[in-house]
Amino acid sequence: KNQVEQSPQSLIILEGKNCTLQCNYTVSPFSNLRWYKQDTGRGPVSLTIMTFSENTKSNGRYTATLDADTKQSSLHITASQLSDSASYICVVDEELNFGNEKLTFGTGTRLTIIP
Amino acid sequence: DSGVTQTPKHLITATGQRVTLRCSPRSGDLSVYWYQQSLDQGLQFLIQYYNGEERAKGNILERFSAQQFPDLHSELNLSSLELGDSALYFCASSVGPGNRPEQFFGPGTRLTVL
Repeated sequence: KNQVEQSPQSLIILEGKNCTLQCNYTVSPFSNLRWYKQDTGRGPVSLTIMTFSENTKSNGRYTATLDADTKQSSLHITASQLSDSASYICVVDEELNFGNEKLTFGTGTRLTIIP
Repeated sequence: DSGVTQTPKHLITATGQRVTLRCSPRSGDLSVYWYQQSLDQGLQFLIQYYNGEERAKGNILERFSAQQFPDLHSELNLSSLELGDSALYFCASSVGPGNRPEQFFGPGTRLTVL
């Protein structure tokens, strides 16, 4: 069964500090890995999208890394801000036919930034 | 604002009833996706439409059905509702399949089944 597991389940850090969130997946065949940010009760917002051949992708203070051999990804947040408090979701695309993809979502890491 | 709209924002109904959730994709997007997010659960892919045709199916129950209309808006129909159907239902849209299109999510419809 295709799965996406994230750790830690929740994380609390001080404003200004860095943090790294982890994602392990077993999805196959794999095409892309995405990281989303989801504020409570709202729709997810895309942070990064990486193909299997990319190792790193940055979006401002967010940097995602991917190791397709070990099926691991991480999201590093630099100089955290109060607005970074949200759930961060790792999503892996399973390649279907005709260019379609089925997204498998992790359950997310709940990040809380405290002043 | 992602450009994807969903109505209604909240819906409260009773077990056994039927409801319809509506989604309008971003202008120019041809693909629509439906997802279910139960409390403390990850999003579960339900179904995808592209330009009016079903393209991929996920963990969608037989009691649920969807369609995409010629104007590209989509509706998700949930029938014979059970307590366990209470969840946030998200719609997302993208330009179309292939080439890792970014999906833009709507604000969601919160369904409560009593």
